[in-house]
Amino acid sequence: NAGVTQTPKFQVLKTGQSMTLQCAQDMNHNSMYWYRQDPGMGLRLIYYSASEGTTDKGEVPNGYNVSRLNKREFSLRLESAAPSQTSVYFCASRGQNTEAFFGQGTRLTVV
Amino acid sequence: GEDVEQSLFLSVREGDSSVINCTYTDSSSTYLYWYKQEPGAGLQLLTYIFSNMDMKQDQRLTVLLNKKDKHLSLRIADTQTGDSAIYFCARTLYSSASKIIFGSGTRLSIRP
Repeated sequence: NAGVTQTPKFQVLKTGQSMTLQCAQDMNHNSMYWYRQDPGMGLRLIYYSASEGTTDKGEVPNGYNVSRLNKREFSLRLESAAPSQTSVYFCASRGQNTEAFFGQGTRLTVV
Repeated sequence: GEDVEQSLFLSVREGDSSVINCTYTDSSSTYLYWYKQEPGAGLQLLTYIFSNMDMKQDQRLTVLLNKKDKHLSLRIADTQTGDSAIYFCARTLYSSASKIIFGSGTRLSIRP
């Protein structure tokens, strides 16, 4: 099983550019998540999706949008990237009453 | 992270026990987790405890939950160099079982 797969692994954007981070899981999990990780800040929840067709804001949703395309896929979009969005982004998924499984992360730099 | 707090650093001598602490403010948690992150990698689950438990032991790992003080700890016995990593405490919220909130992480370093 691949588990949780994120693409791309690395990305450099110019301020104002847009991009979409992709995430897919093959564990038939209902819940999916997007977190960002910054030094000394831990993981902060951007958006999550409790089930297919639903999305909810987390702690730091501003500047981001998400789409739960189907049960497998949950994408994160930056419409107009800013240097403050330089971070490592993690996607995760979780089934009923289980732990969350994480992807390997996307390292995004906005210059 | 939202209302989950950890100290940022811990240094222990190889072979000693490491105790990593976590406090939270909302008593309505359901699951409480400990995750490990090695450099350049994602997060891996180490262990978890349900909120109606006080203790869980798994080989070198012992988790203690003090619900009254809203305090969670992870003890690693016989700490080895391979235990060097960042350790994250996390919890789900009773009000929203899907939402998982993480602490800021504790960087564990091992000295010889």
